[in-house]
Amino acid sequence: SQTIHQWPATLVQPVGSPLSLECTVEGTSNPNLYWYRQAAGRGLQLLFYSVGIGQISSEVPQNLSASRPQDRQFILSSKKLLLSDSGFYLCAWSRVNTIYFGEGSWLTVV
Amino acid sequence: KQEVTQIPAALSVPEGENLVLNCSFTDSAIYNLQWFRQDPGKGLTSLLLIQSSQREQTSGRLNASLDKSSGRSTLYIAASQPGDSATYLCAVRGTGANNLFFGTGTRLTVIP
Repeated sequence: SQTIHQWPATLVQPVGSPLSLECTVEGTSNPNLYWYRQAAGRGLQLLFYSVGIGQISSEVPQNLSASRPQDRQFILSSKKLLLSDSGFYLCAWSRVNTIYFGEGSWLTVV
Repeated sequence: KQEVTQIPAALSVPEGENLVLNCSFTDSAIYNLQWFRQDPGKGLTSLLLIQSSQREQTSGRLNASLDKSSGRSTLYIAASQPGDSATYLCAVRGTGANNLFFGTGTRLTVIP
């Protein structure tokens, strides 16, 4: 069966520090991969999606970036975090017509 | 651009009640619609998926309906239990890899 792992689960980072969130999928190949952000009291916002290795599409301009170095690995990064980057980040994968989410990563920028 | 709205934003009901959560979307050209459950601080768990050609899907005490022409879906929960307390989100999918639009969710509290 397919599983999705996302880490770290929680982190507190100072403003201006770098960020790296990692996501891996097991049990499937060539999935579509996604990074979403869920701010407090707001809906899910799609940040990046990828349909293949090295193929990244950005939905919202910001100081975040994403990379897909391997088929089943998706990384969300930032060189310098802003206070507004705080939120709940969710990785997801899909094939055919449904989507599966990881457990999420809580980021607090202080 | 597709817009998805969920009303109400929050709902409290006593245990045992039947309830309906609503989802509306502006563009009826959808591929499918999916209902999710999200527990506090957790990821999303898929509950039901309705293809655009279907009218409803059932899983246990849950029944989801889809009226594509009017841009509406409902999630019916029968005999609610405290364990049903969570936020419920609907999402509609168009064509393409990035064409998934989420509502802001309904936070359900079932009071014992």
